[in-house]
Amino acid sequence: SQQGEEDPQALSIQEGENATMNCSYKTSINNLQWYRQNSGRGLVHLILIRSNEREKHSGRLRVTLDTSKKSSSLLITASRAADTASYFCAMNSGGYQKVTFGTGTKLQVIP
Amino acid sequence: EAGVTQFPSHSVIEKGQTVTLRCDPISGHDNLYWYRRVMGKEIKFLLHFVKESKQDESGMPNNRFLAERTGGTYSTLKVQPAELEDSGVYFCASSHDRVSGNTIYFGEGSWLTVV
Repeated sequence: SQQGEEDPQALSIQEGENATMNCSYKTSINNLQWYRQNSGRGLVHLILIRSNEREKHSGRLRVTLDTSKKSSSLLITASRAADTASYFCAMNSGGYQKVTFGTGTKLQVIP
Repeated sequence: EAGVTQFPSHSVIEKGQTVTLRCDPISGHDNLYWYRRVMGKEIKFLLHFVKESKQDESGMPNNRFLAERTGGTYSTLKVQPAELEDSGVYFCASSHDRVSGNTIYFGEGSWLTVV
């Protein structure tokens, strides 16, 4: 199955520092999406990267994808307390859009 | 444009009772998905509708769960009878194209507690 693994499981940093989260997966993908979940809230879509892309940026977010290593990383630069949340990668494989989620990284940004 | 909306946002029911969760996808999105996250565990796929048809229901845990999408618009997920292990958050999501490559948008979730 396509279960994704994320590391670290938890990350605590000071405001202003950069946060990097990694996602590894098992089978080939069509695209990979990153989501954020604030405590008690829904999943907010952050960024989608396709299998033929290697890097994408959106504001303070930078996502990389290495299909040869079956891994992706999410970098949040100049973190803020409001970035405190759980972050999930979600992989799409096959012909339909169903995604499989990674285990998540819980990020705490200390003011 | 309204996002994916889910109702109720929170529900507390007793074991053995029935709960029906509703999801309104983004207008025009043919694809509708249900996922859930039980306490402390990963987010798991339940099923996928394309319009009113069930495309994939491989993640439905057992026959206590029934999902419908009559008319291809909103969807309901009924749990009957509810068990303690059904507690968790149920997410609905929708997307536009059938072929992979488009963003999947999630709702705020329906938080279910079975006591």
